[in-house]
Amino acid sequence: GAVVSQHPSWVICKSGTSVKIECRSLDFQATTMFWYRQFPKQSLMLMATSNEGSKATYEQGVEKDKFLINHASLTLSTLTVTSAHPEDSSFYICSARDEKGQTYEQYFGPGTRLTVT
Amino acid sequence: GEDVEQSLFLSVREGDSSVINCTYTDSSSTYLYWYKQEPGAGLQLLTYIFSNMDMKQDQRLTVLLNKKDKHLSLRIADTQTGDSAIYFCAETTRGFKTIFGAGTRLFVKA
Repeated sequence: GAVVSQHPSWVICKSGTSVKIECRSLDFQATTMFWYRQFPKQSLMLMATSNEGSKATYEQGVEKDKFLINHASLTLSTLTVTSAHPEDSSFYICSARDEKGQTYEQYFGPGTRLTVT
Repeated sequence: GEDVEQSLFLSVREGDSSVINCTYTDSSSTYLYWYKQEPGAGLQLLTYIFSNMDMKQDQRLTVLLNKKDKHLSLRIADTQTGDSAIYFCAETTRGFKTIFGAGTRLFVKA
């Protein structure tokens, strides 16, 4: 099946620095990718929808200047957490839709665990 | 608004059947899904059902959909210790957004 990768799988950074997380669709093209955040023992919260070649659509309550999303190609979306703080520590998961597949097909990456100290 | 609810915890004995329930609010849902998440890992799609179907069976998994009551269930037959994980119910709306439930933690006792 289709594969979505994320890099890095985990990262520790100091408070005030910025961290970039990559999401790649390895064997299919994805016009649309999604970024989720998951707190420990909680569900996934959709943060934003990343659209190739255009601005991301952010969910209510998500700061777009804090979480910068760039979807520069059909196989890569990046999420940059700017001026990270300890409360940004979380598990970030991306997903991608296979534009040529069935409507239900959405593939998830393995997640990136961010710890801000 | 869109909301998906499910029970938070289920404990069964190995070999028994597990039934995880979920309710949703968006009547325009197109697809409904069950995902499995093991500790520290991403999500694995277990199965899905289109909104005009009542039932889908895939090996040990049976999905039942009651569209009138907006109720979805996942039955795992002959539950094994390897089935211990968190199971998320999710729906895709017409805007292709996927809304997740809080997850049901399944604990299988040997």
